Amino acid sequence: SQTIHQWPATLVQPVGSPLSLECTVEGTSNPNLYWYRQAAGRGLQLLFYSVGIGQISSEVPQNLSASRPQDRQFILSSKKLLLSDSGFYLCAWDRVRSPLHFGNGTRLTVT
Amino acid sequence: ILNVEQSPQSLHVQEGDSTNFTCSFPSSNFYALHWYRWETAKSPEALFVMTLNGDEKKKGRISATLNTKEGYSYLYIKGSQPEDSATYLCAFMRNSGYSTLTFGKGTMLLVSP
Repeated sequence: SQTIHQWPATLVQPVGSPLSLECTVEGTSNPNLYWYRQAAGRGLQLLFYSVGIGQISSEVPQNLSASRPQDRQFILSSKKLLLSDSGFYLCAWDRVRSPLHFGNGTRLTVT
Repeated sequence: ILNVEQSPQSLHVQEGDSTNFTCSFPSSNFYALHWYRWETAKSPEALFVMTLNGDEKKKGRISATLNTKEGYSYLYIKGSQPEDSATYLCAFMRNSGYSTLTFGKGTMLLVSP
């Protein structure tokens, strides 16, 4: 069966510090991978998605970047965090036009 | 920018009550409508994927209907239980090349015993 791992679960970082969130999927190959964010009082916002190794599409211009160094690994990064980067980050995967499968999320607080 | 609206924003019912929520989405270029349940401290889980106008799906006490021509879907919960307490999200996918899901803000349901 397929599983998705996302870490860390919580993170408190000062403004201006770097960020690296990692997500890995097991039990499937060539998944589509996604990073979503839920900011306070808002819905799930798609940040990045990837249909293959090295292929990243950005939905919203921002302070963040994503990379897919391996087929089942998706990394969300920032060189310098802003206060507005605080939120709940979810990694997800799917196959073409099937339901999304989500990780457990990372609660990021930028202080 | 795609607009996916959910109502109500939140709902508080008593155990045993039946309830329903609405999801509105663009009626053009429709491909699919997803419903997810997001319980506190867990990750969102898919309930239904609906693709055909007039679709009705059912999972236990939860069911959903779809009207693609007018751009809405209803989610029904019959005989709500405390374990149904969660945020219910709908998400719309457009029929346009590689398309991603656009989520509504969700309906937060609280069921009191």
